[in-house]
Amino acid sequence: GNSVTQMEGPVTLSEEAFLTINCTYTATGYPSLFWYVQYPGEGLQLLLKATKADDKGSNKGFEATYRKETTSFHLEKGSVQVSDSAVYFCALSGLSGGTSYGKLTFGQGTILTVHP
Amino acid sequence: GAVVSQHPSRVICKSGTSVKIECRSLDFQATTMFWYRQFPKQSLMLMATSNEGSKATYEQGVEKDKFLINHASLTLSTLTVTSAHPEDSSFYICSARGPVAGELFFGEGSRLTVL
Repeated sequence: GNSVTQMEGPVTLSEEAFLTINCTYTATGYPSLFWYVQYPGEGLQLLLKATKADDKGSNKGFEATYRKETTSFHLEKGSVQVSDSAVYFCALSGLSGGTSYGKLTFGQGTILTVHP
Repeated sequence: GAVVSQHPSRVICKSGTSVKIECRSLDFQATTMFWYRQFPKQSLMLMATSNEGSKATYEQGVEKDKFLINHASLTLSTLTVTSAHPEDSSFYICSARGPVAGELFFGEGSRLTVL
């Protein structure tokens, strides 16, 4: 079956530091890949996504590239801010437009804390 | 833009009672919705796929008699936790496929606390 593995947290950084959160996956076929962010007490917000190999998703300074050869979708940001403190989830879904699209398999989540 | 709304956002109930959580697509029709459960400090686990006009498809290990899902209209899916117990306390989140292929929208989540 499908699975997603994220680097274990928590991750603690100083403001303006470089962020990488690793994510690797196991799936059949060509899944769509996502990064979601969850702020304390809130639901999920889509941060970025990529639907095919070599696609790069980007949003709010965050980036992730769909690497099929390494089955990875690592999240990066060049300069983090205190407001980026949250839990980040990597997830995959079946092919966009397919019957399994939307059934997400989530990684375990990575807690990011950014200090001033 | 398209929005998915959940209600209630928080609910506290006594053990043994049933609780209904609504997931509503506000400006689009959602034939397929999904229900997830999130334990404190843990990831989200898919519970079931809700299909408008047909029975929900439950994931392995999820008790269908315990977690009743109804998708009676194109904009509303409900999750009823029957005879709730403290171990059912959790954060429940729904999502819906959007009108455009590849779109997926999440509700704000509903926190259930069973005393």
